[in-house]
Formats: sequence, structure tokens, C-alpha cells
Amino acid sequence: DAGVTQSPTHLIKTRGQQVTLRCSPKSGHDTVSWYQQALGQGPQFIFQYYEEEERQRGNFPDRFSGHQFPNYSSELNVNALLLGDSALYLCASSLSGSTGDTQYFGPGTRLTVL
Amino acid sequence: GENVEQHPSTLSVQEGDSAVIKCTYSDSASNYFPWYKQELGKRPQLIIDIRSNVGEKKDQRIAVTLNKTAKHFSLHITETQPEDSAVYFCAASKGGGTSYGKLTFGQGTILTVHP
Repeated sequence: DAGVTQSPTHLIKTRGQQVTLRCSPKSGHDTVSWYQQALGQGPQFIFQYYEEEERQRGNFPDRFSGHQFPNYSSELNVNALLLGDSALYLCASSLSGSTGDTQYFGPGTRLTVL
Repeated sequence: GENVEQHPSTLSVQEGDSAVIKCTYSDSASNYFPWYKQELGKRPQLIIDIRSNVGEKKDQRIAVTLNKTAKHFSLHITETQPEDSAVYFCAASKGGGTSYGKLTFGQGTILTVHP
């Protein structure tokens, strides 16, 4: 049973560039949530995708956007990168329903913006 | 929105001792409270969770208690072992409606278990 996977593992970009991060949910899961984890802090909710639509969003600017594909995998896009976007980006998957809030995390993508 | 406060920020214990980490939440509508363990450079791993319809849940050496009236919940680890050393995060969410599945995390507790 495959767990949540993310790619790439690490990424280095410069200010102003754009980046795309990818996530494949745990087998059987249909919902993907994205979180940003700054060093020494807890994860912060970015947004959640279900049925290929953004279902809810945290306090992140429009530079952060996403997409969910028919196979439930998801992408996180960040435009016009800022130094402050440097963080670990975590994807979490869950199965919609009565326990849909039980989320399992992927290993994350470490983004460094120079 | 929801706010979760976690204490202490660091906790150091001797192997075999118990460890307790406490969290408070602000939104009385929150009804799901998971705990995650994150080792250095690794993913947050769900170790135990509790829903608002129960007051306590136990899984081997780990237990979680919930006080809905006071809006706080705690993680208890008994007979600690060096491999329990990690950062522990509490979180809260409210299922249903437009907030379904959004986890709000505490700031984390660095637990160190000394052999």
C-alpha cells in the first residue's frame, strides 16, 4: 500500500521564479491538502483539493495556486517567489467521509529561495 | 479562526519517565484532535487522535485526553524511550461545512529522552 509521495525532494529557486510541486495521495484517498512548514514551526494550511476543486483555503496570497487531477494527484504552484517562501512544503491526503479529517503526510519538498 | 497553543516548547526527560504535552484550542466547534510526531528531516507521522465524542484514548504507551469544557487536550507518553525523541505537534480541526479537514497546528514540543 503506497503512502503519500512528493516530488521533488529538494528545490532551489531564485526570487521571482515560479515553482511546481507534486503530490500523489495514499492509495484509496481522494482529498489532498497542502501545508507550509517554516523552520521550527508547525505546518500552516495552504489549501485543500477535493473532486478537482479547491474546497477551502488558508491565509496565503494568490501567488499560491493548485490543481488536482482525475487520479487525485495534486500540484502546488507558487509564482513570483519571495525569500520568505523558503520552507518545507507538505502534502497530506485523506479519504472524504466521516473520518475525512484524518490526514497522512508525505515526506515534503524542501524549497529554498535565494 | 482557530488558534492552537502548545506547551511546553521543549521537554527533557529520563528514559522510563512519563512525558505530558498540553494544547489549548480556541474554537469550540473543533471536534478532531490529532497528534503528530516529526523526527528530524522526516514527515509528520500521525501517532494518535481523538474526536470530541470521547474523553480519552489510549494506544500502548501513548494516551490522549480531551476536556471540551476547558478546550484543552493532552498527550501522555509513559515509559519513554530514546526513540521517542522528536518534535510533537498537536492539531485541531472541525469536520463538516467549509472547514472540513483544515488542520490548525500548535507550535510543537521538542521532546528529548535521555538514556
